[in-house]
Amino acid sequence: KQEVTQIPAALSVPEGENLVLNCSFTDSAIYNLQWFRQDPGKGLTSLLLIQSSQREQTSGRLNASLDKSSGRSTLYIAASQPGDSATYLCAVKWGGSQGNLIFGKGTKLSVKP
Amino acid sequence: NAGVMQNPRHLVRRRGQEARLRCSPMKGHSHVYWYRQLPEEGLKFMVYLQKENIIDESGMPKERFSAEFPKEGPSILRIQQVVRGDSAAYFCASSPGTSGSGKNIQYFGAGTRLSVL
Repeated sequence: KQEVTQIPAALSVPEGENLVLNCSFTDSAIYNLQWFRQDPGKGLTSLLLIQSSQREQTSGRLNASLDKSSGRSTLYIAASQPGDSATYLCAVKWGGSQGNLIFGKGTKLSVKP
Repeated sequence: NAGVMQNPRHLVRRRGQEARLRCSPMKGHSHVYWYRQLPEEGLKFMVYLQKENIIDESGMPKERFSAEFPKEGPSILRIQQVVRGDSAAYFCASSPGTSGSGKNIQYFGAGTRLSVL
């Protein structure tokens, strides 16, 4: 069964700290992997998309890595800010470009000023 | 270019009523996906549609739920005879196509929060 797991479920850090969010998936034959941000009561904002042939993607203070062989992805956030507080979701697409996304339950991040 | 539009944002229904959720994809997008997020749960795929066709409905409950994406107008997710367990956030995503880098990214709407009393 294809599953996505995110650990930890919640994380609280002081402002300015660098942090890593973890995502693991059960089947290494992925099509792509995507990281999203969800604010309370809001929709999803796509942060980074990594194709199966890629190892990492970067956008500003965010860096996502992908290791298919070990079934893992990490989202690295540098110099965290209170505005980074949100739930971060990892989603994997299997079964080709038309496949649906399978989501983890997310990591709820709180950055304290 | 407006994003994915979902309405209503909040919907309250009593048990036994019907709920109709609408999703207008981004301009130029012909692929629509519906997901459901139950309280304290991750998003779960429900159905994938292209114009006038259901491509994958493996995540849809077998009864009471239906979806359509007509040639003209928004995609509709319809829930008949709602029960309390249907209370959730329903998200719609759209994508422009299925080939080429970037063309398979799904863009999400803000969701419809359904509350069943």
